[in-house]
Amino acid sequence: GENVEQHPSTLSVQEGDSAVIKCTYSDSASNYFPWYKQELGKRPQLIIDIRSNVGEKKDQRIAVTLNKTAKHFSLHITETQPEDSAVYFCAATPPFGANDYKLSFGAGTTVTVRA
Amino acid sequence: DAGITQSPRHKVTETGTPVTLRCHQTENHRYMYWYRQDPGHGLRLIHYSYGVKDTDKGEVSDGYSVSRSKTEDFLLTLESATSSQTSVYFCAINQGYMSTEAFFGQGTRLTVV
Repeated sequence: GENVEQHPSTLSVQEGDSAVIKCTYSDSASNYFPWYKQELGKRPQLIIDIRSNVGEKKDQRIAVTLNKTAKHFSLHITETQPEDSAVYFCAATPPFGANDYKLSFGAGTTVTVRA
Repeated sequence: DAGITQSPRHKVTETGTPVTLRCHQTENHRYMYWYRQDPGHGLRLIHYSYGVKDTDKGEVSDGYSVSRSKTEDFLLTLESATSSQTSVYFCAINQGYMSTEAFFGQGTRLTVV
C-alpha cells in the first residue's frame, strides 16, 4: 500500500516568514495529492490539492509543488500569519474509482507562527 | 459543512466492553473511512468502505470491525475495548470521482479506562 512520509513534524516560524512542509510517497500510481489543515480541536479540512498532471498550484498565500519523478510534493505558505498555526497533513490517493480508493496521510506537521 | 455526523462525540468506557461508533452521511458518497488520530501518528486508517457491504482493512485494523448496511451509515465496533484504543476517531467521506475532497466528521473522543 501507499506510504506517505512528512517532514518536519514541528515547524516554528516568525510571523511574515515562509513555511515549507515536504512529503514523499511510495506508490507511483498515486495521482492526487491533497493537503489538509486541522486547527486545534477541529476536524481536518482541505486547503489545497494537486493532481499528477500539474507541477505547481497556487491559491493566494499557499502553493503546492509536485515532483512525480522523485515522488515528493511540498506545501509552501508565504507571509505567515497567526491563523496559519495548525497541524497540516499531506495525503496521496490512487486513481479515482478504484475499490481501494483511500487517503493515505502523512504523520502531520504542527506549525506555530510566532508573533 | 458537508452532511456528515459522528455519534457519540465523547465516550468513556471500561476495558473489555464493546463499543460502537456511528458515522452518518447525507451526501450519498460512495467511500467512507474510519481514522484514528494519536499524537505523533497523524491520521491512521482503520477500515474503509467502497459501497454497501463492501469494506476493507486499513493499516491499523486489529481489534476493530466495521459494517455498512446502507449507504449513509458506517459503523465502527471495538469488540473488546483496550486502553491502547483510547484515541480520537474521525469518520470521512469521499465521492471518489467528480469531487475529490474528503469531508471529515467532528470526531469522537474515546477514552478506555
